[in-house]
Amino acid sequence: QKEVEQDPGPLSVPEGAIVSLNCTYSNSAFQYFMWYRQYSRKGPELLMYTYSSGNKEDGRFTAQVDKSSKYISLFIRDSQPSDSATYLCATIQGAQKLVFGQGTRLTINP
Amino acid sequence: DTAVSQTPKYLVTQMGNDKSIKCEQNLGHDTMYWYKQDSKKFLKIMFSYNNKELIINETVPNRFSPKSPDKAHLNLHINSLELGDSAVYFCASSQDLDSPLHFGNGTRLTVT
Repeated sequence: QKEVEQDPGPLSVPEGAIVSLNCTYSNSAFQYFMWYRQYSRKGPELLMYTYSSGNKEDGRFTAQVDKSSKYISLFIRDSQPSDSATYLCATIQGAQKLVFGQGTRLTINP
Repeated sequence: DTAVSQTPKYLVTQMGNDKSIKCEQNLGHDTMYWYKQDSKKFLKIMFSYNNKELIINETVPNRFSPKSPDKAHLNLHINSLELGDSAVYFCASSQDLDSPLHFGNGTRLTVT
C-alpha cells in the first residue's frame, strides 16, 4: 500500500464549479499535510499547509484533514481556467521526507 | 529573484554518458533535496542534505551521486546513464524539518 493515495484523474469541470480533490494516507502518525499545484513544465508550488485535523481556508481554497478516516481534501470555489493544473497532496513521513500522492490532473473549462 | 534554480532545463544524452545537474537556492534554507518525477507524474525523494550533510538516501543506484559544496548548492551527478533514468529531476529546499518544500522548475532528462 502506498503511503499516500490519490486518484490521478483527469478531472474536468466547468468554470465556476466547486472542485473537490481528495487523498487518503496510510499512517495515522502523519501530522503535516500539504497541497501543491503543478503547472505543465513547472515545479510544484505550495498551495496549502495544514497541521493535524481541521480546516484551513485561503481565498478560494480550503484544505481539510480528517485524521479519523485518514482523508485529506482540497476544495476550490469559483474555479477558474487558471486553476487548471495537477494537484498533489503530500505529507511528511519522517525526518525531512515528504511523500506525495500521484497527483490529480484538473482542467477547468471556460 | 529569490528562488530555487536548476540547470540545465533540458538534457538529452546517450546511454552510458555521465552528466550533472546543478541546483542553487537563495532562500537561506538549511535543507536541500533531489526528487525524481516519472512519466506518471509520481514524485519520489532521492536525497536530502542538511547543512551539507547527507540525511536521506533513498534506494537510489550508486550511479547517482549528490554533492553539496555549500548550503546553497546541491548538484546531482549521474554516471553511466540508462534509458530508465529518463525523467524530470526536481531540486527543492526547505527551512527545516517540518517546513514545506520550495521546488525548482525541473530538469527534463532524456536518455536515448
